[in-house]
Amino acid sequence: AQTVTQSQPEMSVQEAETVTLSCTYDTSESDYYLFWYKQPPSRQMILVIRQEAYKQQNATENRFSVNFQKAAKSFSLKISDSQLGDAAMYFCAYRSAAGQFYFGTGTSLTVIP
Amino acid sequence: DAGVIQSPRHEVTEMGQEVTLRCKPISGHNSLFWYRQTMMRGLELLIYFNNNVPIDDSGMPEDRFSAKMPNASFSTLKIQPSEPRDSAVYFCASSLVAGGHNEQFFGPGTRLTVL
Repeated sequence: AQTVTQSQPEMSVQEAETVTLSCTYDTSESDYYLFWYKQPPSRQMILVIRQEAYKQQNATENRFSVNFQKAAKSFSLKISDSQLGDAAMYFCAYRSAAGQFYFGTGTSLTVIP
Repeated sequence: DAGVIQSPRHEVTEMGQEVTLRCKPISGHNSLFWYRQTMMRGLELLIYFNNNVPIDDSGMPEDRFSAKMPNASFSTLKIQPSEPRDSAVYFCASSLVAGGHNEQFFGPGTRLTVL
């Protein structure tokens, strides 16, 4: 089975600074999808960004971008110009071609004013 | 679309009682997932349906847990009898296996407290 590893249980960043959350995964598939989800204190799981494995270009959504290294099986999330509203738990997720999902254990991000 | 709908949003029950959690996936989605989230164990996949058929139920903790998906627009997760260690937030999520953006859409969760 595929595994997703988030090695940073907690991270903190100063407001307006940049932070990078790491994620690695293990798979033998060549076709898959990767996601970052955000879970604020409200508990709602919100999609932050997605990356298709067949695309070499790194996905970007406003202040959020990824560094996708397919050979290294690495998928890190960079948050630029951090805002207080970015404080949340962040989950990395892998979706297989067959539609199964695997989530990491999450990284709790604190934004310091 | 209203998104994934879960009910109830909060449930408080006593040990030994039967609990039924309900989920309505997004119309057109053909995959449905039930997760449990606790501080100690994080986000755990309980069961995964594809086209109403259970594909992977290896995450179901024990026989006290059961899940059904009688049609494409409704699923239930039942705990009978409930125990205090079942207290958690239970999420339902749906996705489209082929086409679309492929991500999971989560419901708001049901917070279960077993006294």
